[in-house]
Amino acid sequence: GAGVSQSPSNKVTEKGKDVELRCDPISGHTALYWYRQSLGQGLEFLIYFQGNSAPDKSGLPSDRFSAERTGGSVSTLTIQRTQQEDSAVYLCASSSSPGGRREQYFGPGTRLTVT
Amino acid sequence: DQQVKQNSPSLSVQEGRISILNCDYTNSMFDYFLWYKKYPAEGPTFLISISSIKDKNEDGRFTVFLNKSAKHLSLHIVPSQPGDSAVYFCAATGGTSYGKLTFGQGTILTVHP
Repeated sequence: GAGVSQSPSNKVTEKGKDVELRCDPISGHTALYWYRQSLGQGLEFLIYFQGNSAPDKSGLPSDRFSAERTGGSVSTLTIQRTQQEDSAVYLCASSSSPGGRREQYFGPGTRLTVT
Repeated sequence: DQQVKQNSPSLSVQEGRISILNCDYTNSMFDYFLWYKKYPAEGPTFLISISSIKDKNEDGRFTVFLNKSAKHLSLHIVPSQPGDSAVYFCAATGGTSYGKLTFGQGTILTVHP
C-alpha cells in the first residue's frame, strides 16, 4: 500500500512570502504529526492531529505557523511571512494508534529554503 | 532542555562487527522508545521499538536494550552491513504527550566493507 506522501518535495521561497506544505497520510491512519528538522538538528515536534482536531499544537514556533486537516486525511501546514530561520525539512508522519504506543510512519519531507 | 540525547555524533565500524548506538533520556514519563534510520533526502524509517515493561526487544539483526534505572537505551546491530550506513535517531514518548515523539540529535553510522 501507499506510504505517507508529501508535496512539494522542495520549495524555495522569498522571505515574507506564504507557503503551504501538504501531507497525505497512510489510508486509515487517524493520527497525524508534523515535525521539522533544521540543519544539524534532530527532529522537532510541531503539531498533532487526531482526526480533524489538533489537541496538541505546542510545538508550533510562532503564530505565523498554522495547520489544518480535512476529512480526517490530508493535512496542510501553512507558514505565513516566511523568515530565513524557517528553512528546514518539514516531515509528516501518521500512525494507526491515536496517542498510543505505536510506530509513526514518515513521509519523505519537504525541504523549505527561504532566501 | 534536551530530554533525549545521543552523545555520539558518529560511529564507524567494520562490516560484520557489532554496532552499538546509545541514547539517554531524562523524562521519567517516557514509556515507549523507538529507533529510526534515515538516509539522505528520505524520511526516517522505523526500525524497532521497546516498551518500558521490557528490557530487551529483538528483530533480526537489531536488538534494543532498555535500562530504566539508568534512563539509557542502546541499539545493537549484528552483524553490521554497509547498507546499514545511515543516521540513526532515538525517540521517546509517554505520559500525556499524545504519542508525539521526542528525538535525539542522531548518530551517523558508517559501516566499512
